[in-house]
Amino acid sequence: EAGVAQSPRYKIIEKRQSVAFWCNPISGHATLYWYQQILGQGPKLLIQFQNNGVVDDSQLPKDRFSAERLKGVDSTLKIQPAKLEDSAVYLCAGREGTGRRREDTQYFGPGTRLTVL
Amino acid sequence: GESVGLHLPTLSVQEGDNSIINCAYSNSASDYFIWYKQESGKGPQFIIDIRSNMDKRQGQRVTVLLNKTVKHLSLQIAATQPGDSAVYFCADTGDSGGYQKVTFGTGTKLQVIP
Repeated sequence: EAGVAQSPRYKIIEKRQSVAFWCNPISGHATLYWYQQILGQGPKLLIQFQNNGVVDDSQLPKDRFSAERLKGVDSTLKIQPAKLEDSAVYLCAGREGTGRRREDTQYFGPGTRLTVL
Repeated sequence: GESVGLHLPTLSVQEGDNSIINCAYSNSASDYFIWYKQESGKGPQFIIDIRSNMDKRQGQRVTVLLNKTVKHLSLQIAATQPGDSAVYFCADTGDSGGYQKVTFGTGTKLQVIP
């Protein structure tokens, strides 16, 4: 079974530039998550999709971050403009089912490491 | 808000010994916990979970213990191997508008000494 695909794996930009990350979850995984993982910390949820609809974006800094999952399959996360504190690994995860059952396992991609200079 | 945290940031263990990684949680309403393993350059990987109606659950070489009285979890790894070197996170799952939201702790780095 293919895993969660993310690209690019690494990105270096200057502050105030924009950047986009792409994720393709495991086929059939209706629930998709984007997490931000700052060095030395655990992942923090940014946004959760159920198919192509947003179910939780309470921790997404909406003045600069946006995400979409137009066809309910792959997803993009964008930052515009980037700040120094956005330097982190951005993880995408998928989950089978409706996202309501806690026993359904999340499967993570390898992440995109963003460095903002 | 509520948090899930770990006692030790780094744990060094001799190969072949048992490892114990501890975690404290603060939300008394938490009723489901997960341990994840994150190797360098990879995303977190599910290891084992436990519901609050249990105090122990065993997997392959791993055991999770839950003490609800003191709100404490531990992950025990038997006969630690070099491949166990990673950062380990405990996490709890809470309800967010009817959907399950996973909240991660800070993590403990396990270093296995050959």
